[in-house]
Amino acid sequence: AQKVTQAQTEISVVEKEDVTLDCVYETRDTTYYLFWYKQPPSGELVFLIRRNSFDEQNEISGRYSWNFQKSTSSFNFTITASQVVDSAVYFCALSNYETGGGNKLTFGTGTQLKVEL
Amino acid sequence: NAGVMQNPRHLVRRRGQEARLRCSPMKGHSHVYWYRQLPEEGLKFMVYLQKENIIDESGMPKERFSAEFPKEGPSILRIQQVVRGDSAAYFCASSRGQGATDTQYFGPGTRLTVL
Repeated sequence: AQKVTQAQTEISVVEKEDVTLDCVYETRDTTYYLFWYKQPPSGELVFLIRRNSFDEQNEISGRYSWNFQKSTSSFNFTITASQVVDSAVYFCALSNYETGGGNKLTFGTGTQLKVEL
Repeated sequence: NAGVMQNPRHLVRRRGQEARLRCSPMKGHSHVYWYRQLPEEGLKFMVYLQKENIIDESGMPKERFSAEFPKEGPSILRIQQVVRGDSAAYFCASSRGQGATDTQYFGPGTRLTVL
């Protein structure tokens, strides 16, 4: 069975602080994909990143960076110099790819990030 | 380049009525997934469809819920005889293919409120 755990339900920071959102996953598959999505107050889901299980290189995109560590089954997300516009719920997800059966996602429960002035 | 479209964005129904939620995938996408987000929870997979076929409905409640994705037109998630517990946000996602590298892009969701 697949499982994604986001232990932090809510985080509050002051603008310009760095913040890390934790994600721990469980899977028996050797090939899998991990995702982060952002859900701003308007409610839509915005795709941020996809990583495959064979690529443990950290990735940076502007103020966003992701740390994938297979040894600890973690895929953490860091926002540097946070801004008020970063306030949102962030979801980590794991793909359950089945040949011919699609690619359904297993989501964590989300971390609500509040960035205050 | 339009993204995934869902309508209505908000839907209010009384107990016992039917709810129909529509999803138009992104252009060039023929794979559709439906997810449900209950209040204060993450998204839960419901059903995966390709054109005219239901591939995986392992997340669908056994009764009252059905989904289709006809050859022409949007995918429809139908909930018959709604109950208060059906109140949730329903998200549709589409992808180009069914491979593990095919990212799912989500629509804005339909927020269903059952009175």
